[in-house]
Amino acid sequence: KAGVTQTPRYLIKTRGQQVTLSCSPISGHRSVSWYQQTPGQGLQFLFEYFSETQRNKGNFPGRFSGRQFSNSRSEMNVSTLELGDSALYLCASSPPRDSSTDTQYFGPGTRLTVL
Amino acid sequence: ILNVEQSPQSLHVQEGDSTNFTCSFPSSNFYALHWYRWETAKSPEALFVMTLNGDEKKKGRISATLNTKEGYSYLYIKGSQPEDSATYLCAFSTGGYNKLIFGAGTRLAVHP
Repeated sequence: KAGVTQTPRYLIKTRGQQVTLSCSPISGHRSVSWYQQTPGQGLQFLFEYFSETQRNKGNFPGRFSGRQFSNSRSEMNVSTLELGDSALYLCASSPPRDSSTDTQYFGPGTRLTVL
Repeated sequence: ILNVEQSPQSLHVQEGDSTNFTCSFPSSNFYALHWYRWETAKSPEALFVMTLNGDEKKKGRISATLNTKEGYSYLYIKGSQPEDSATYLCAFSTGGYNKLIFGAGTRLAVHP
């Protein structure tokens, strides 16, 4: 089974621009979660989507948004980029049993650099 | 604010040494505790999910224990090998729809 894929893997943007990152979950998985890792910080939860609905949101400003499509692929968008948004963005998908004890399977991440 | 603490921050050991790390988490509203291994340039890889107080899980040379009453989990690696070099992350769940709260990780380097 193919793993979680994320595109692009690397991205360079300038302050004020917006960016869209994409995540394709493992086939059959319906939950997709997004996390941000900045230098010196652990993974911070951004939001989680299940069946095209955002079920949970972390403590991030409204510039961070996401969506999920009917095929479970998810995108996250960051508008009006700031230098502090430079980070590794990881997405993870979970099996269809939809239990919080389910393992989350992570993609390789998108490294975003804001200049 | 829910906080997950991991110690030590980093660890250097010799091949063959056994080692252990600690993860501390809030003991209230506990639902599950996850351990991940994250090698450089790879995706985080799930090791264990534990839910019950006293749970013990084992995978090869790696094992973990869970104490939900006092809010800690230990990860043990027996006979460390260079391929065990990675960052080990623990994550706490309160049951809120796949929202994991991660610690900052323990970075392990195993020297031949």
